[in-house]
Amino acid sequence: GESVGLHLPTLSVQEGDNSIINCAYSNSASDYFIWYKQESGKGPQFIIDIRSNMDKRQGQRVTVLLNKTVKHLSLQIAATQPGDSAVYFCAENPNSGGSNYKLTFGKGTLLTVNP
Amino acid sequence: DTGVSQNPRHKITKRGQNVTFRCDPISEHNRLYWYRQTLGQGPEFLTYFQNEAQLEKSRLLSDRFSAERPKGSFSTLEIQRTEQGDSAMYLCASSPGHPPDTQYFGPGTRLTVL
Repeated sequence: GESVGLHLPTLSVQEGDNSIINCAYSNSASDYFIWYKQESGKGPQFIIDIRSNMDKRQGQRVTVLLNKTVKHLSLQIAATQPGDSAVYFCAENPNSGGSNYKLTFGKGTLLTVNP
Repeated sequence: DTGVSQNPRHKITKRGQNVTFRCDPISEHNRLYWYRQTLGQGPEFLTYFQNEAQLEKSRLLSDRFSAERPKGSFSTLEIQRTEQGDSAMYLCASSPGHPPDTQYFGPGTRLTVL
């Protein structure tokens, strides 16, 4: 069936390095993608989103890249800090038309930042 | 606090008991969502409200589960005759209902069924 998945379940980086978290999706009809950060015991926190009519979007220290040809999404975190340690999920909205509900989440990548 | 709030944060119950969780969405958000998350997995969609109308329910939502949003503001999720397999984090999210319609999540309610 249609699904969103992650290539790497864990990622360990040194403080100050850049981090790249990858995500593959299989539903070519999905038109909206979101990255969430989830710390232990907390709910998912919105980081950045991107629509399918874009291939790159930048936020503060974060960049999301979308490659629709290979159905791949990535989250880049610049100058990673210990506070970035968390599980990162990509989510897709398989419905088109601007209505965002019923998000489908991948399994998540655990990012550990070593001081 | 203007974010999504959920109560209680933790609930421990015995198998067969009924439990009810509450979600207060962000003010002026007319869409509200419930998700369930088990350890090591991403959240799974359960149901969604547009104002007080429940517009979609997942097949994960068995007949022991019921959700309401009577006045289009807060919502409750009730699980009757709980089973050990119901143990999970129950997450609530809300969104404004217009593009980009980003969903913002609450802290969740951790349910443990003994």
